[in-house]
Amino acid sequence: EVQLEAAGGGLVHPGGSLRLSCLASGFNFGGYEMNWFRQAPGKGLEWLSYISSSGGIIKYADSVRGRFTISRDDAKNSLYLQMSSLSAEDTAVYYCVRERFYFYYYMDVWGKGTTVIVSS
Amino acid sequence: DIQLTQSPSSLSASVGDRVTITCRASQGISSHLAWYQQKPGKAPNVLIYGASTLESGVPSRFSGSGSGTEFTLTISSLQPEDFATYYCLQLNNYPRTFGQGTKVEIK
Repeated sequence: EVQLEAAGGGLVHPGGSLRLSCLASGFNFGGYEMNWFRQAPGKGLEWLSYISSSGGIIKYADSVRGRFTISRDDAKNSLYLQMSSLSAEDTAVYYCVRERFYFYYYMDVWGKGTTVIVSS
Repeated sequence: DIQLTQSPSSLSASVGDRVTITCRASQGISSHLAWYQQKPGKAPNVLIYGASTLESGVPSRFSGSGSGTEFTLTISSLQPEDFATYYCLQLNNYPRTFGQGTKVEIK
């Protein structure tokens, strides 16, 4: 079964840092592009970051550029999101998401999400 | 950035009703649009990609159409399990952007 399991969320103080991880299983992780998304409480979905299958192409949303870093370790079937300078606006459920190309790109597999709460 | 405007933002419908949700893009995105269903406390699930291609395993009562700047998600006969929030997502450009969501509620 294709699965993505995000972990590493928790309570962090404003200005603090956190590293999220996402363990992939059931598919050839190294062959897929990956993304992070988030959803603040009661709000819509927001795309945060993209990493190519090779790791050579990385994209960020303006809201996190310079504060968040995406990375991957194909040997460990894992995706990461290093987050720093966190503020209350970063409080959200964070999703690790697989991107698939079949004539068109789309996000086909979403992990369950891990919750980040930024509060003093 | 490409803005996606969904309408309506919410709707009330009955089981068996035909439901249509519209997503308008601020600039042309060809057919690089996907539709997602999200239930409370759950991750989104893809319904449609490439504007009109039904994802494997998704019931055929869901359909998508459109290209360029105007897109539609249609549920031909609403079922109890379809009460959820629906989002469109554009994958033509970075940053990827979503519509604000359409909440489908029981009438």
